[in-house]
Amino acid sequence: QSALTQPASVSGSPGQSITISCTGTNSDVGGYNHVSWYQQHPGKAPKLLIYGVVNRPSGISDRFSGSKSGNTASLTISGLQTEDEADYYCSSYTRITTLGIFGGGTKLTVL
Amino acid sequence: QVQLVQSGAEVEKPGTSVKVSCKASGYTFTSYDINWVRQAPGQGFEWVGRMNPISGNTAYAQKFQGRVTLTRNTSISTAYMELSSLRSDDTAIYYCARQGGLTVNYNWGQGTLVTVSS
Repeated sequence: QSALTQPASVSGSPGQSITISCTGTNSDVGGYNHVSWYQQHPGKAPKLLIYGVVNRPSGISDRFSGSKSGNTASLTISGLQTEDEADYYCSSYTRITTLGIFGGGTKLTVL
Repeated sequence: QVQLVQSGAEVEKPGTSVKVSCKASGYTFTSYDINWVRQAPGQGFEWVGRMNPISGNTAYAQKFQGRVTLTRNTSISTAYMELSSLRSDDTAIYYCARQGGLTVNYNWGQGTLVTVSS
């Protein structure tokens, strides 16, 4: 099964907002509200930012928000900060397998 | 706080096996599934499998079927991933993660680098 589709890179300036898309099919993103987003800084383990499309774990800034329309989920980061520069990955439940599926990742550059 | 502490880096020869451990603390080990995910150098993530710590039931990604075995020792709150018949393209960081919801990796271990090289 192919990975979910994310843009390879996005960029923004401090204070701006950016949105990262994650496109799948109705077998995964479009069919279930089980989309998660992860942030990974170089050399570090990933950190969960969003789960269940829109939910933030305790301790995650409300600058991070998630949404979904059809087969595409989105992660929006508002009020960009330099420490937001990292790789971002989406993940979804898929009915093809009992395991999940990941996106290819998006590198965020804060200019 | 929830912590998953993995064993250290391994260097293995092609055709051999590797076993990575993941010790959980800060929560009831048997209450949440443990997922294993890997990340090849400079690449994205790939699911390896999942284990239910109470029953020991497992689910493996199709590409690893027959080569991966997930086990656990509930008395020491530790999960294990063993990968056999290693190839050079198995070189990756292997992560364990506590599943907090359907396919949600709520907490992650620090990762274990497995290098396969002759």
